Amino acid sequence: EPEVTQTPSHQVTQMGQEVILRCVPISNHLYFYWYRQILGQKVEFLVSFYNNEISEKSEIFDDQFSVERPDGSNFTLKIRSTKLEDSAMYFCASRGDRASQHFGDGTRLSIL
Amino acid sequence: GESVGLHLPTLSVQEGDNSIINCAYSNSASDYFIWYKQESGKGPQFIIDIRSNMDKRQGQRVTVLLNKTVKHLSLQIAATQPGDSAVYFCAETDNAGNMLTFGGGTRLMVKP
Repeated sequence: EPEVTQTPSHQVTQMGQEVILRCVPISNHLYFYWYRQILGQKVEFLVSFYNNEISEKSEIFDDQFSVERPDGSNFTLKIRSTKLEDSAMYFCASRGDRASQHFGDGTRLSIL
Repeated sequence: GESVGLHLPTLSVQEGDNSIINCAYSNSASDYFIWYKQESGKGPQFIIDIRSNMDKRQGQRVTVLLNKTVKHLSLQIAATQPGDSAVYFCAETDNAGNMLTFGGGTRLMVKP
């Protein structure tokens, strides 16, 4: 069964540094998403992306965040200057025609 | 604000028994509801979905019930197995498949 893959599985970064989280969505999907989950809390929406542009974003997705689809297979989330409170699991998701989104196993981001 | 919430944080059942996990939602404009299963260290895994014009949908060992009158969603798991132990989230979205709004999660523990 096709799946969403994310790399790295764990990223440790110093506060203030830039990080790029990478995702390979399911190949025939056209809608892409990033979510985060702070330890012990619910999954929160960050941003959705379709047709090479952001279609929706949450209040969490401020100017420090950006997304890109640099080629036909990758979808990336960049945090320009990380803060301690950015520590969380970051999940990428994609979907096809149905509204159900399929998730990767996430990247654990630890900011020191 | 709009929210999707879960009634019980932890549900413990005996192997072989049926499980019922409940969810309340408040956004009456939602078109689509989804149940996800999240095992430790993994991303949310799609289980089953239901459109707002339906009140019941069955999958393999799982049934989702939707009661729009009281804005209630439930997931029934038949003959619960140890492999069903996980955190279960309900989520809702609009017909355009935009952002998912997740509930807080219910931990299902299956006793052998």
